[in-house]
Amino acid sequence: QVQLVQSGAEVKKPGASVKVSCKTSGYTFTGYFIHWVRQAPGQGLEWMGWVNPNSGDTIYAQKFQDCITMTRDTAIRTAYMELSRLRSDDTAVYYCARAYYYGSGTKYFLDYWGQGTLVTVSS
Amino acid sequence: QSVLTQPPSVSGAPGQRVTISCTGSSSNIGAGYDVHWYQQLPGTAPKLLIYGNNNRPSGVPDRFSGSKSGTSASLAITGLQAEDEADYYCQSYDNSLSGWVFGGGTKLTVL
Repeated sequence: QVQLVQSGAEVKKPGASVKVSCKTSGYTFTGYFIHWVRQAPGQGLEWMGWVNPNSGDTIYAQKFQDCITMTRDTAIRTAYMELSRLRSDDTAVYYCARAYYYGSGTKYFLDYWGQGTLVTVSS
Repeated sequence: QSVLTQPPSVSGAPGQRVTISCTGSSSNIGAGYDVHWYQQLPGTAPKLLIYGNNNRPSGVPDRFSGSKSGTSASLAITGLQAEDEADYYCQSYDNSLSGWVFGGGTKLTVL
């Protein structure tokens, strides 16, 4: 069965970086984009961007352009999201999710999600 | 402030019907981009509920349905059950932001 298993919780100081991993199984890793979504405490969902595991191509939300890097390692079927220059308002649960393509252009939806990784930014 | 606007909360008694609206603009829903809906139970990851405006993935009860018209979309839940108590999010694509956007979320309370 399809599974996305994320790395454990992190505590970081302001200005530091964090790298969250998303290990996949149960499907062809290179056949589906991986998206990253975050959720601050008590808040809604915020889309961060995606990585194409086949090509390594990425698209980032404008808000994160200068501080985010999404990568992948096809040998171990794992996607990564690294956020740098952390601030206290980056404290959130970070989710990876598989995108299922059902048509042309932007016809994707997120069908399988990781369990989430809590990143706490505090001095 | 979210690009897609949802009511912060809705409520209904068991067995009743509720609807959750998702209002966008000409750069997202109104531009013809599909709307998807996710359900998030407390302390868990979101789960896909409706995709492509009105399609249910296998395993989602037919009590859940979606629709879209103009710059808005709606999620309807009939025959409310206690287990439906959760947060619901709409999602679409926005061409002015060149990215995906979520609604602010709606908390459903089953009275």
